Amino acid sequence: EAGVAQSPRYKIIEKRQSVAFWCNPISGHATLYWYQQILGQGPKLLIQFQNNGVVDDSQLPKDRFSAERLKGVDSTLKIQPAKLEDSAVYLCASSLRRQGRVAEAFFGQGTRLTVV
Amino acid sequence: DAKTTQPPSMDCAEGRAANLPCNHSTISGNEYVYWYRQIHSQGPQYIIHGLKNNETNEMASLIITEDRKSSTLILPHATLRDTAVYYCIVRVANPQGAQKLVFGQGTRLTINP
Repeated sequence: EAGVAQSPRYKIIEKRQSVAFWCNPISGHATLYWYQQILGQGPKLLIQFQNNGVVDDSQLPKDRFSAERLKGVDSTLKIQPAKLEDSAVYLCASSLRRQGRVAEAFFGQGTRLTVV
Repeated sequence: DAKTTQPPSMDCAEGRAANLPCNHSTISGNEYVYWYRQIHSQGPQYIIHGLKNNETNEMASLIITEDRKSSTLILPHATLRDTAVYYCIVRVANPQGAQKLVFGQGTRLTINP
């Protein structure tokens, strides 16, 4: 079974530039998550999709971050404009939807973003 | 925010059992305890989960106390490849009813040769 695919693997940009990350979840997984992981910290949920609808974006900095999941499959996360504090690993994860509890989530390798 | 407390770091000798504790004193009756681990430069990996009974799979065992206020993840025969950050997570529901995983700081487990 193919895992969660993310690209690019690494990205270096200057502050105030824009950047986009792409995620292809495991086939059939209705739930998709984007996490931000700053060095030395645990992953922080940015946004959660159920199919192509947003169910939780309470921690997404909406003035600069945006995400979409077209057709309920692939997803993109965009930052515009980037700040130095956005330097982090951006992780995509997907899971099946199971009534009443959280199904195990499968994570991609992540995209390491460095803002200089 | 995460509702779990874990020691920041632990060491274990290769071949011995690694016992990772987690406190979750405010856990609700219908909340599950999940364990994930993150090996350096990789995404988190699911290990095991449980509600109130002890659980075992090919990777680990999960022991949950009778009052469910704490749990212990056991790696029975730790190897060097088990060196990672281990996260204990209690399922958190958002107002719309969707579930999400909230990660804390985790425990950095180092397996020594």
